[in-house]
Amino acid sequence: DGGITQSPKYLFRKEGQNVTLSCEQNLNHDAMYWYRQDPGQGLRLIYYSQIVNDFQKGDIAEGYSVSREKKESFPLTVTSAQKNPTAFYLCASSRANYGYTFGSGTRLTVV
Amino acid sequence: AQSVTQLGSHVSVSEGALVLLRCNYSSSVPPYLFWYVQYPNQGLQLLLKYTSAATLVKGINGFEAEFKKSETSFHLTKPSAHMSDAAEYFCAVSEGGSGGGADGLTFGKGTHLIIQP
Repeated sequence: DGGITQSPKYLFRKEGQNVTLSCEQNLNHDAMYWYRQDPGQGLRLIYYSQIVNDFQKGDIAEGYSVSREKKESFPLTVTSAQKNPTAFYLCASSRANYGYTFGSGTRLTVV
Repeated sequence: AQSVTQLGSHVSVSEGALVLLRCNYSSSVPPYLFWYVQYPNQGLQLLLKYTSAATLVKGINGFEAEFKKSETSFHLTKPSAHMSDAAEYFCAVSEGGSGGGADGLTFGKGTHLIIQP
């Protein structure tokens, strides 16, 4: 079955560390997105990519970085510059007229 | 710029009662509108979407929503609530289409639906 796989499901980060969240899709979708979810805040867009080797900042990109070297993969790195990284992170992909598909999320906690 | 307002961060209904979750949007172009449901520690599941066809949209699990341009609303309803409907619900808007839109989806802050036995 086609879908989006996010890993790991739970991730713990020490202060000052960079961590990378994985997102892989086998839906042949062109666009991919990273959202951050905080209680009572809804989902906020971090980065998105419409094609390979190109990506755009979303509303809250500071402290995050991404790459899009393959169509299927869109990893998100949470850098030490992100002062409040504890959140639930959701990856999504989309293709024109096919709608959006979401992964099951990664919960990141700073320890 | 597009935005979404969901009225009521928490809504409580009795089992068997009508469910009404409110969503208002703003958009500079004809919007595409979505309702998603999220269960704890899971991703988002699409309930239904409006893509400029019929204004009354039927979705999964007995949910439906009506697009009202004059009110800029897209409220979600279900005639009879079930215990399994307890979850977080998100309304979202896209100006880039029903998929592959340039800027992705803009979400409301969510409504937590509580079902009382």
